[in-house]
Amino acid sequence: AQSVTQLGSHVSVSEGALVLLRCNYSSSVPPYLFWYVQYPNQGLQLLLKYTSAATLVKGINGFEAEFKKSETSFHLTKPSAHMSDAAEYFCAVTDGGATNKLIFGTGTLLAVQP
Amino acid sequence: NAGVTQTPKFQVLKTGQSMTLQCAQDMNHNSMYWYRQDPGMGLRLIYYSASEGTTDKGEVPNGYNVSRLNKREFSLRLESAAPSQTSVYFCASKLEPSTGELFFGEGSRLTVL
Repeated sequence: AQSVTQLGSHVSVSEGALVLLRCNYSSSVPPYLFWYVQYPNQGLQLLLKYTSAATLVKGINGFEAEFKKSETSFHLTKPSAHMSDAAEYFCAVTDGGATNKLIFGTGTLLAVQP
Repeated sequence: NAGVTQTPKFQVLKTGQSMTLQCAQDMNHNSMYWYRQDPGMGLRLIYYSASEGTTDKGEVPNGYNVSRLNKREFSLRLESAAPSQTSVYFCASKLEPSTGELFFGEGSRLTVL
């Protein structure tokens, strides 16, 4: 069965610092991979997705992620954190079944310190 | 452009009461999903409907029932609420065939006393 592991349930960075949120997946077939962001008291919004095209994927708000098959990783980065980036971030992978259901990681809460 | 709309946004129930969470999407999507979100556990799939007229169990279906009323609407029912069902519930939809991208509602926060 597919699974997603997000290392670090809480990450704190200073404003202007690099953001790195880690995601590893287990997959026996090439997956589709996603990063979603959830702001307080809101639903999830898609940040970016990997669908077997370019391995470096650019998303909204300056975020990007790189698909590394050899490491089964899909880490999310942003060169310079902004206060507005404070939110919870979820990595997700398709389950490889006929309906491509999403399996979510447990989330990483990003705090940005002034 | 409403997207995915969930009602109610907040609800408090007593143990044993029943209620239905409503979800509607206006994007002409084929598949719809109900997830629950609990601290430290991410989102877990309760039920989904791959197309109008079909429903299937997800990871945590016990204590819930669903109805795919038509292509737009997918409801989640708690017949006899338990404190363990205190959670935030999200409805989502997806166009098929697709690469898996889900569109989410804003959530329904349910407290069972």
